[in-house]
Amino acid sequence: QVQLVESGGGVVQPGGSLRLSCAASGFTFSRYGMNWVRQAPGKGLEWVGYIRFDGTNKYYAESVKGRFSISRDNSQNTLYLQMNSVRGEDTAVYYCAKLLDDFWSGPRPFDHWGQGTLVTVSS
Amino acid sequence: QSVLTQPPSVSGAPGQRVTISCTGSSSNIGAGFDVHWYQQLPGAAPKLLIYDNTNRPSGVPARFSGSKSGTSASLAITGLQAEDEADYYCQAYDSSLSGSWVFGGGTKVTVL
Repeated sequence: QVQLVESGGGVVQPGGSLRLSCAASGFTFSRYGMNWVRQAPGKGLEWVGYIRFDGTNKYYAESVKGRFSISRDNSQNTLYLQMNSVRGEDTAVYYCAKLLDDFWSGPRPFDHWGQGTLVTVSS
Repeated sequence: QSVLTQPPSVSGAPGQRVTISCTGSSSNIGAGFDVHWYQQLPGAAPKLLIYDNTNRPSGVPARFSGSKSGTSASLAITGLQAEDEADYYCQAYDSSLSGSWVFGGGTKVTVL
């Protein structure tokens, strides 16, 4: 069965950096676009960014553009989120989520989500 | 302020029907992009509930249904059950900012 397991969360100081990972299993990772979505404590869902199945296209929310970077290693079935220049408003649970359809680079829904990893930005 | 607008909360007794609205604009729902719905149980990750406006993934009970018209969409739960108490989010693609997925602010469903 599809499994997405995030890791790398923790406490980071404002202005600092953190790299999150998402280990995928149970499906052919290299065929699917992937996303990061975050949820601040007690708040709703916010899309963070997307990477195409082959890594050639990436899109980001305006709130993280220029600070966060998504990458993937299809040989290791792993998705990454590099977070730089973090701010207090970046405090959230970060989820990785898989697109429903393979080889699709358009706006499809997210059919599987990981359990999330908590990032806390605090001095 | 979310791009897609949902009521903060709805409630109903067991067995009743409740609906959740999701209102967008001409750059997302009104542009023809499909609407998807997610259920988030307390302490859990979101789960895809309805996709492409009306379709249910395998395993989702038939009491959940979706519809879309113009710049809005709706999720209906018929025969409300205690285990349906959760947060529900709508999602669509928005073409206004170099392309991005947007979510509604979420609706808390309470079973009385």
